[in-house]
Amino acid sequence: DADVTQTPRNRITKTGKRIMLECSQTKGHDRMYWYRQDPGLGLRLIYYSFDVKDINKGEISDGYSVSRQAQAKFSLSLESAIPNQTALYFCATGGKQGNEQFFGPGTRLTVL
Amino acid sequence: AQSVAQPEDQVNVAEGNPLTVKCTYSVSGNPYLFWYVQYPNRGLQFLLKYITGDNLVKGSYGFEAEFNKSQTSFHLKKPSALVSDSALYFCAVRAYGGSQGNLIFGKGTKLSVKP
Repeated sequence: DADVTQTPRNRITKTGKRIMLECSQTKGHDRMYWYRQDPGLGLRLIYYSFDVKDINKGEISDGYSVSRQAQAKFSLSLESAIPNQTALYFCATGGKQGNEQFFGPGTRLTVL
Repeated sequence: AQSVAQPEDQVNVAEGNPLTVKCTYSVSGNPYLFWYVQYPNRGLQFLLKYITGDNLVKGSYGFEAEFNKSQTSFHLKKPSALVSDSALYFCAVRAYGGSQGNLIFGKGTKLSVKP
């Protein structure tokens, strides 16, 4: 969905490096999310934000941090990347009051 | 605990045949249910949702889903499958409680439609 963009789309890094994944949305939604997808595990929620001043841990937040710079921007950081953080990462927005979420195209991260 | 189960890792159907992708759920309140599709190297695309009302919900690309409260199921269906329907399908349910509004996803079902 072009309304939700993620950068970079692919990234290869080494163990111990700091990585930031960025997400921007033009849908005007307050809520934003970060998920990771692993084969056979579906999508798991890392962090979510209901507005600029509200950030919450999801199911698997250890090893990650986030920043909500503005309503439209929500970044995910890996302070010291490790190989088991190799995954496909998705940003999403929306979801208020039963509405669906809209997903970005994903970032494929490989940690060597 | 709130959860979603997709009991089949993969579903294989022949083009032109009907397809069903199964989903069952467990939530602490009235269920808000969603289906998403993921094509290779793409993000998730919304297909349809059930909030309230008619148990048969129609969505994008000719898909529909049937909500069954007694069986806590929300199976995705299509009367006639296309090869282009081959993709990964995710069922999701809205969470209640502290994380209200968040979606809980199933592990996904890979649909393969053969010519």
